[in-house]
Amino acid sequence: SQTIHQWPATLVQPVGSPLSLECTVEGTSNPNLYWYRQAAGRGLQLLFYSVGIGQISSEVPQNLSASRPQDRQFILSSKKLLLSDSGFYLCAWSVPSGKVTGELFFGEGSRLTVL
Amino acid sequence: QKEVEQNSGPLSVPEGAIASLNCTYSDRGSQSFFWYRQYSGKSPELIMFIYSNGDKEDGRFTAQLNKASQYVSLLIRDSQPSDSATYLCAVSPQFYFGTGTSLTVIP
Repeated sequence: SQTIHQWPATLVQPVGSPLSLECTVEGTSNPNLYWYRQAAGRGLQLLFYSVGIGQISSEVPQNLSASRPQDRQFILSSKKLLLSDSGFYLCAWSVPSGKVTGELFFGEGSRLTVL
Repeated sequence: QKEVEQNSGPLSVPEGAIASLNCTYSDRGSQSFFWYRQYSGKSPELIMFIYSNGDKEDGRFTAQLNKASQYVSLLIRDSQPSDSATYLCAVSPQFYFGTGTSLTVIP
């Protein structure tokens, strides 16, 4: 069966520090991968999605970046965090487009607090 | 991002009543429509999805899709206190989400 792992679960970082969140998927090949951010009391904002290794689409220009060094690994990074980067970050995967319509599967999330 | 809009609520219903959640979307190219439930501090979990016009029933849940009106809804029958959560509407293929509707079921 497919599983998705996301870490760290919680982190507190000072303004201006770097960030690295990692996500890996097991049990499937060539998944579509997504990073979302959810600010307190808000909906899910799509940040990045990827349809393959090295292929990243950015939805919201900001100080975050994403990379996909391996088929089932997706990394969210920042060189310098802002207070506004605080939130609940969710990694997710889906079957590639064109195949049977499927759902989005979420990791357990990473709660980031920038102080 | 393409717009997906939901009434943010909060929506309160008594236990046993029908809860009605609504969602509109702007992209006529949207293919499939998903309803997720999210408990506080947790990841969203799928309730059901729909891609054809009409109704789709799964237990106490019914999703309704009207592509001409760009409207999708979720009905929860016999609402239970455990249904209290935020309900998120999403559209594919891009998986854009609405802001969610907070539902409280009062015992």
